[in-house]
Amino acid sequence: DQQVKQNSPSLSVQEGRISILNCDYTNSMFDYFLWYKKYPAEGPTFLISISSIKDKNEDGRFTVFLNKSAKHLSLHIVPSQPGDSAVYFCAARGESSGSARQLTFGSGTQLTVLP
Amino acid sequence: DAGVIQSPRHEVTEMGQEVTLRCKPISGHDYLFWYRQTMMRGLELLIYFNNNVPIDDSGMPEDRFSAKMPNASFSTLKIQPSEPRDSAVYFCASSPPSGDRLRTQHFGDGTRLSIL
Repeated sequence: DQQVKQNSPSLSVQEGRISILNCDYTNSMFDYFLWYKKYPAEGPTFLISISSIKDKNEDGRFTVFLNKSAKHLSLHIVPSQPGDSAVYFCAARGESSGSARQLTFGSGTQLTVLP
Repeated sequence: DAGVIQSPRHEVTEMGQEVTLRCKPISGHDYLFWYRQTMMRGLELLIYFNNNVPIDDSGMPEDRFSAKMPNASFSTLKIQPSEPRDSAVYFCASSPPSGDRLRTQHFGDGTRLSIL
């Protein structure tokens, strides 16, 4: 059973518009959430994170929103740029399996920003 | 700063052969993770180590898979015997010790494994 779900495998957005990537989770013990970005033939790289005690974290063009009651988080990218085209993974960290260091990843969303 | 280094970048081998994937974590990091990425299942955690000791190997798919970390700067993931369904991209990641404000995992560029 997937504890972290990204239900949209792909998303296409026009350059300059907003990209919204969604993620749902089932484990209420998760206390920290992260977004990773992955280009082809490279490993994922950390993008932005949010603690469960917050509902919003902003870093430049990237904002992550957390709705704990709905167990939902989203990543907003505005304005979107062609260089943002990549696979975006949502990840959650908690006390699952006895460790706070273990991340559970979603299956990823391929974002394509069209020029 | 050198990141997580994985080798080889690509491996193509025949079914039944032993495969060894290698990883050098970032110096000073005390957690090391092995992941597998497939189209069907996305990014899955296979095993992770803390201070060279395996902590959780519940993600290792079968006894054909084994991982070791003989010292703080090196880890291996072995598959013996390999099967076509093991074809995937395998990532290694390392994480800094507790107290570090970053608290994220740094990934290598992965090993793309193809079993024929």
